[in-house]
Amino acid sequence: EIVLTQSPATLSVSPGERVTLSCGASQTLSSSYLAWYQQKPGLAPRLLIYGASIRDTGIPDRFSGSGSGTDFALTISRLEPEDFAVYSCHQYERLPYTFGQGTKVEI
Amino acid sequence: QVHLEGSGPGLVKPSETLSLTCTVSGGSISNSYWSWIRQSPGTGLEWIGYIYYTGTTKYNPALMSRVTISVDTSKNQFSLRLNSVTAGDTAVYYCAKGGSYYWDWGQGMQVTVSS
Repeated sequence: EIVLTQSPATLSVSPGERVTLSCGASQTLSSSYLAWYQQKPGLAPRLLIYGASIRDTGIPDRFSGSGSGTDFALTISRLEPEDFAVYSCHQYERLPYTFGQGTKVEI
Repeated sequence: QVHLEGSGPGLVKPSETLSLTCTVSGGSISNSYWSWIRQSPGTGLEWIGYIYYTGTTKYNPALMSRVTISVDTSKNQFSLRLNSVTAGDTAVYYCAKGGSYYWDWGQGMQVTVSS
């Protein structure tokens, strides 16, 4: 199965900062079938990005996804207070679908 | 955007069967894929499997011998059964719309396996 490794595990930042979260795949995702989710405590994940770089409907443009092959990233251009959460990447190119272990963005 | 509401027991005894149902409202279960995902502190998010409204399924090989996902289009519901559960199956179980990435999620159901 494809293992997704996210870094860092925790990121301590301040509102207004720009952050980049990384997701590395153990095998090449030739079709860039990679998604990013945001999750807050006690809530279900929320889809932010699919196809590596396509924002889901209603997702603010401060969120952007990039990358291909084995290296992918989620960038938040200017952190808002509501952006403090856990972010997980997810590959849906090859079964079994797998998720990264998550990056916690905290103040 | 559809609403997904999960239901089922929150406590299951070891070796018994975990059964959960997801009811879809605000849209038809037809013409879409529907998935089950679980999350535990130790292993993070784990894909369990998906079903197409016609009944076609795909399962995680790690769970394949114990899992069944079914659909009831007349009730706009799909269900998960996981046999022979152990403490390792304790998790929050989510139902979701989609067979690849997931647009809409249910609220999450905490299921604890304990005697």
